Amino acid sequence: EVQLVESGGGLVQPGRSLKLSCAASGFTFSNYYMAWVRQAPKKGLEWVATISTSGSRTYYPDSVKGRFTISRDNAKSSLYLQMNSLKSEDTATYYCARRTGRSGWYFDFWGPGTMVTVSS
Amino acid sequence: EIVLTQSPTTMAASPGEKVTLTCRASSSVSYMHWYQQRSGTSPKLWIYETSKLASGVPNRFSGSGSGTSYSLTINSMETEDAATYYCQQGSSYPLTFGSGTKLEIK
Repeated sequence: EVQLVESGGGLVQPGRSLKLSCAASGFTFSNYYMAWVRQAPKKGLEWVATISTSGSRTYYPDSVKGRFTISRDNAKSSLYLQMNSLKSEDTATYYCARRTGRSGWYFDFWGPGTMVTVSS
Repeated sequence: EIVLTQSPTTMAASPGEKVTLTCRASSSVSYMHWYQQRSGTSPKLWIYETSKLASGVPNRFSGSGSGTSYSLTINSMETEDAATYYCQQGSSYPLTFGSGTKLEIK
């Protein structure tokens, strides 16, 4: 059974940093691209970052580029999201998701999410 | 960036009613994917590559479309189908989601 479990969320002041983790199990982690998707309170879904199987390629939307860094440790089946220079608009539940598909990428498994609140 | 516009924003349907949700893309995409999110839970993949049902999805659901216009149809609404449905394109970065359709039971 595929399982993704996020951790590391919490309350952080604007301008500070936070690192999220995602522990994966039930599949060969190193064979899959992985991603982070977030959802602000009462809002829709926003893709945040994607990383290739080896970690050599990463992708971000403009809203987080230069502030967030996605990484992975295939030996530990773990995914990470380093978030720097946090803003109030980064307040959201952050989901770890497995990306799949060939010509039309999608997310076939999601974790339960971890809440990040950016506030003074 | 490909913008996805979902309609309606909110709707209510009676048990047994046929329901159609639409998703329009600002540029042509290869496929559309759909997610169901019930209140307080994480999204679940529901329909992928436009028309393929994810594991465990009842066959009263179907998906169709091409180019810039896609839809999700429920043949006969059931209580358990009340949720928010999001479309998502994976044809180009940035990956984008629609703003969602909240489907309620009448």
